[in-house]
Amino acid sequence: EIVMTQSPATLSVSPGEGATLSCRASQSVSSYLAWYQQKPGQAPRLLIYGASTRATGVPARFSGSGSGTEFTLTISSLQSEDFAVYYCQQYHNWPLTFGGGTKAEI
Amino acid sequence: EVQLVESGGGLVQPGGSLRLSCTASGFTFSDYAMSWVRQAPGKGLEWVSTINYNGGSTYYADSVKDRFTISRDNSGDTLYVQLNTLSAEDTAVYYCAKFHGSGTYYNFPDYWGQGTLVTVSS
Repeated sequence: EIVMTQSPATLSVSPGEGATLSCRASQSVSSYLAWYQQKPGQAPRLLIYGASTRATGVPARFSGSGSGTEFTLTISSLQSEDFAVYYCQQYHNWPLTFGGGTKAEI
Repeated sequence: EVQLVESGGGLVQPGGSLRLSCTASGFTFSDYAMSWVRQAPGKGLEWVSTINYNGGSTYYADSVKDRFTISRDNSGDTLYVQLNTLSAEDTAVYYCAKFHGSGTYYNFPDYWGQGTLVTVSS
């Protein structure tokens, strides 16, 4: 099983600031990496797939990068609606595995 | 607009069974692989199971293998999961998720339902 490790667990930022979230895979997943956003009481929302492709309707302030075992989600300027938990997920191997999440808070 | 609506959750005793359903609309259901993903209270996401577009291939997490069965009815645009021999560790919100494509390899969930809560307790 590929273990996905996200850091930091919690990210304290102010609105308008940028944020960098990290995700590391225990073995290479090539570019088969997705990022999801989840707000309290809501379902996850796909942000990024293929490590760097924004999903439909996702604002340009979200960008993804990386390949192999190291990945990054960058939010260029956090808006109030961006405070949420972010999960990375690999889809290179079964079982599909998620990271433990990074909570972006004020 | 893609819509996924789960139902069938509730309170069940340890060792009991439950069947969850997910009714899909807004896309051609029979063209896409589908999954169940769960989230225990206050915890992260855990993939449970995936089925390909025609039901011919299924995959399960080790934690649910031989207890859960995923299936689909393409004529009724509905995804199912049968949950058997439930324990407290299965308590979670169960999300239905549409995959980006028809196959199961190198594919990922792109739309999620709002989830249905399964509580296993005596």
